Amino acid sequence: GNSVTQMEGPVTLSEEAFLTINCTYTATGYPSLFWYVQYPGEGLQLLLKATKADDKGSNKGFEATYRKETTSFHLEKGSVQVSDSAVYFCALRPPSNQGGKLIFGQGTELSVKP
Amino acid sequence: GAVVSQHPSWVICKSGTSVKIECRSLDFQATTMFWYRQFPKQSLMLMATSNEGSKATYEQGVEKDKFLINHASLTLSTLTVTSAHPEDSSFYICSARTQRVLNTEAFFGQGTRLTVV
Repeated sequence: GNSVTQMEGPVTLSEEAFLTINCTYTATGYPSLFWYVQYPGEGLQLLLKATKADDKGSNKGFEATYRKETTSFHLEKGSVQVSDSAVYFCALRPPSNQGGKLIFGQGTELSVKP
Repeated sequence: GAVVSQHPSWVICKSGTSVKIECRSLDFQATTMFWYRQFPKQSLMLMATSNEGSKATYEQGVEKDKFLINHASLTLSTLTVTSAHPEDSSFYICSARTQRVLNTEAFFGQGTRLTVV
């Protein structure tokens, strides 16, 4: 079946540190891949996405590359800020589309200290 | 991006009563809406998918008689938690997308914190 696995949190970093949050997936075919961010008490916001192999999604300094050979979509940022503190969810949308439903990883909490 | 508004953002209700949560797409026509449930520090669990004018499709293990979903228009879906109990306390999040354009992503509401006392 389809599934997403993320590295466990919480991840605690100092401001301006380099961030990597690992995400691997299991799916048949070529799913679309997403990263969402959730700030405390809020819903989810789309951070970036990639729809085919080798695509790189990027937004607000965050990047992730769709790696079919390693079934991964790791999130990276070169220099994190305190305002990046949030929970990050990796998700996939199956290639069969199934109405567009998303399958989420368990989320990774990021805490950035000044 | 598109805006999805959820209301209320939080609600406290007594055990045994019903509570309705609304999800509106403000600037696009949502042909499909999704309802998720999120437990503290956990991921989102898809509860059901609803297409405008059709009955919702519930995920395995979700009681359709307890979680009533209505998607009567292209801009509004509602989730009614019937005869709520404390174990129904959770964070409920809706998302909406249109299937009229290929590969569009889903947009999420801000969530509703339900507390049953």
